[in-house]
Amino acid sequence: AQKITQTQPGMFVQEKEAVTLDCTYDTSDPSYGLFWYKQPSSGEMIFLIYQGSYDQQNATEGRYSLNFQKARKSANLVISASQLGDSAMYFCAMRGAYGGSQGNLIFGKGTKLSVKP
Amino acid sequence: EPEVTQTPSHQVTQMGQEVILRCVPISNHLYFYWYRQILGQKVEFLVSFYNNEISEKSEIFDDQFSVERPDGSNFTLKIRSTKLEDSAMYFCASRLESAATSYEQYFGPGTRLTVT
Repeated sequence: AQKITQTQPGMFVQEKEAVTLDCTYDTSDPSYGLFWYKQPSSGEMIFLIYQGSYDQQNATEGRYSLNFQKARKSANLVISASQLGDSAMYFCAMRGAYGGSQGNLIFGKGTKLSVKP
Repeated sequence: EPEVTQTPSHQVTQMGQEVILRCVPISNHLYFYWYRQILGQKVEFLVSFYNNEISEKSEIFDDQFSVERPDGSNFTLKIRSTKLEDSAMYFCASRLESAATSYEQYFGPGTRLTVT
């Protein structure tokens, strides 16, 4: 069975500093995808970044980068130059193999990030 | 920019009543999903829908739940007889049939369901 683990319930970071949010996953599927979503206090789910299991390079999207270590089954999110608006819940999620599922996402429990001024 | 919309934003209902949560997915998307998030907990998959039928469902999606795409644009989730434990945020999501670069699901803003 697939599983996502986020071991940091809460994190603090000083404004303008970088922060790493941890995510480990477990799957037996050879093909999978990993996502990070941001959920501000308003409740919506905002897509941040995606990493495919066969992608050779780590994904980057602006200030977000994904530190993908396949052998360790980890997909940590790195936010550079933190801003006050980055304060939110962050969820790591996994998509199952395309052939075995219709792409439903399995989420971790989330990490609440608080950016201090 | 196209977006997934959901109505209502907040629904309060009494235990035992039926509720219908509505979603309008992005127009060229073909896969549709419902997820729920109980307050303070993780997002949980309920059901996926493709080609006018359920393609996958979780153990949460029991006989009290049903989904429908009645008119080619709306995608609805019906709970026949609500229970207190159905109180949660319900998210609708959609995605392209085959995204070239990712299988990104676009989430709606959610409907907060409160069962009293």
